[in-house]
Amino acid sequence: AQSVTQLDSHVSVSEGTPVLLRCNYSSSYSPSLFWYVQHPNKGLQLLLKYTSAATLVKGINGFEAEFKKSETSFHLTKPSAHMSDAAEYFCVVSEQSGTYKYIFGTGTRLKVLA
Amino acid sequence: DAGVIQSPRHEVTEMGQEVTLRCKPISGHNSLFWYRQTMMRGLELLIYFNNNVPIDDSGMPEDRFSAKMPNASFSTLKIQPSEPRDSAVYFCASTPSGGGYEQYFGPGTRLTVT
Repeated sequence: AQSVTQLDSHVSVSEGTPVLLRCNYSSSYSPSLFWYVQHPNKGLQLLLKYTSAATLVKGINGFEAEFKKSETSFHLTKPSAHMSDAAEYFCVVSEQSGTYKYIFGTGTRLKVLA
Repeated sequence: DAGVIQSPRHEVTEMGQEVTLRCKPISGHNSLFWYRQTMMRGLELLIYFNNNVPIDDSGMPEDRFSAKMPNASFSTLKIQPSEPRDSAVYFCASTPSGGGYEQYFGPGTRLTVT
């Protein structure tokens, strides 16, 4: 069975400093992995996805994530935080074998300090 | 590209009343999902349609909840009678295919039952 663990419920960074949001997954199959962002009172927006191509995935707004099978991790990073990055971030796993179900992490709330 | 459209964006109703939430998926997408988001339980999948047919409704909380997809461009989620514990944000999402592809989320409907 799949599962996903977001290791931090809250992360605070200063504007201009790097962002690291951690995600570990468990999957019996080759997974598809996603990061979504949710700004206050908004829907979820896809940041990036991994589907067994390149292990380093680049997304929108300068975010990227690296799939590490040996560590079962899919951490989200950004070199320099911007105030507009303040939001909630969800790591998601979906079986690549064709299962439609998303397994959501519990979310990490990112706070960016001026 | 209009994205997934949901209406209404906000709904306030009294306990016992019927509530109908509406969703228009992205044109050409053949899979549609209804989710519920609460602070306590996070994001929960309620029901999944593929080609307008309900495939998995195991997440529907109880018989008070029902969902329909009469055609490829419209779906409804109905709660009758509504209860205060149904208060949540309800999201609709669509995807070109059910398996392993990214889901595109609507802006959500915030339901408050008093």
